[in-house]
Amino acid sequence: DAKTTQPPSMDCAEGRAANLPCNHSTISGNEYVYWYRQIHSQGPQYIIHGLKNNETNEMASLIITEDRKSSTLILPHATLRDTAVYYCIVTRGAGSYQLTFGKGTKLSVIP
Amino acid sequence: DAGVTQSPTHLIKTRGQQVTLRCSPKSGHDTVSWYQQALGQGPQFIFQYYEEEERQRGNFPDRFSGHQFPNYSSELNVNALLLGDSALYLCASSIHRAGELFFGEGSRLTVL
Repeated sequence: DAKTTQPPSMDCAEGRAANLPCNHSTISGNEYVYWYRQIHSQGPQYIIHGLKNNETNEMASLIITEDRKSSTLILPHATLRDTAVYYCIVTRGAGSYQLTFGKGTKLSVIP
Repeated sequence: DAGVTQSPTHLIKTRGQQVTLRCSPKSGHDTVSWYQQALGQGPQFIFQYYEEEERQRGNFPDRFSGHQFPNYSSELNVNALLLGDSALYLCASSIHRAGELFFGEGSRLTVL
């Protein structure tokens, strides 16, 4: 699976959009980009995933660049409950079980 | 819907002992994966079970073994515990080859 690079930490003001970047320059054509988050002392929670096109669900939007070498997770209106570690994961095929988690980005939402 | 449930939530063992952790998958899910998360690190894949067989395995020694039962629930067994086995052990369930993983809250193991 392709390796990902994320900033170790970010701050975001409550109510503003949080934009979390991820670099995956070695991604292959059949690899998906997944985002999970882990709130302190809880198990990871799935957020969104995509292959080529931008995706949106009730939690977030995922923007993947045309060359697929990077992506951005957007939380449109961050709340204090969005404070968590966010993991960007690249993996072959939808429904993959062997996810490689890095250290992620610690997002702190500030009142 | 109960989601993924794990037991026990916390436990303390001493070096050399054996431990069994349990997981009940989300309703409708047939596949269970286990992850180990050391303090300050991201989760690491241990293995995955489907149709009561281990299908994929990460880079973990044979001291780590598992089982899946006909009702899709699963156990993780660790023998000859080492201090380095202290971690949060996460169970994740999914539908085979489809969709995302749903994680439980984990079992925190401390080895003294």
